[in-house]
Amino acid sequence: EVQLVESGGGLVQPGGSLRLSCAASGFTFSSFNMNWVRQAPGKGLEWVSYISSSSSAIYYTDSVKGRFTISRDNAKDSLYLQMNSLTDEDTAVYYCARESQRTGYLADYWGQGTLVAVSS
Amino acid sequence: QSVLTQPPSVSGAPGQRVTISCIGTSSNIGAGYDVHWYQQLPGTAPKLLIFGNNNRPSGVPDRFSVSKSGTSASLAISGLQAEDEADYYCQSYDRGLSGWVFGGGTKLTV
Repeated sequence: EVQLVESGGGLVQPGGSLRLSCAASGFTFSSFNMNWVRQAPGKGLEWVSYISSSSSAIYYTDSVKGRFTISRDNAKDSLYLQMNSLTDEDTAVYYCARESQRTGYLADYWGQGTLVAVSS
Repeated sequence: QSVLTQPPSVSGAPGQRVTISCIGTSSNIGAGYDVHWYQQLPGTAPKLLIFGNNNRPSGVPDRFSVSKSGTSASLAISGLQAEDEADYYCQSYDRGLSGWVFGGGTKLTV
């Protein structure tokens, strides 16, 4: 069974940092591209970042460029998101999502999410 | 402001049929990228509902169907059931943004 379990969320002050983790199991993690998607309270889904299976390609949405860093450790079956210079606009539930190998450009599995709250 | 445009809400009585539109641009849907749909039940993570040309993950009934034309797509749900009450999101890929783009979500009330 495919499982994605996020952790690392919490309350942080504006300007602070957090590192999110996503532990993957039930599939060959090193073969799949991965993404982070967030959802602000009461709002819709927003794609945040992408990393290819070998980490050779990385992309970010404009609002987090220069502040967030996506990475992965295929030996540990884990995905990460280092978030720096956080603002209240970064408050959201952050989901890790596996990109489908069959079709590409879609999330076939999602984690349960971890809440990041930026507030003083 | 979401890149893809969806109506904020739709509603229908049990047994009826509803459609949810998703309007994109020439950088995403109009560029030929597939449109995919997710269902999000209250308090839960999104779940892939239907992808590409009417492909459904195991367990998704054929009451759910999609169509696509030009820069827009739509999700149709027939034989509405109370359990269909959820938020629905369309998603595609945008070549200008080099990433996924989502609609703002549509709340379905049955």
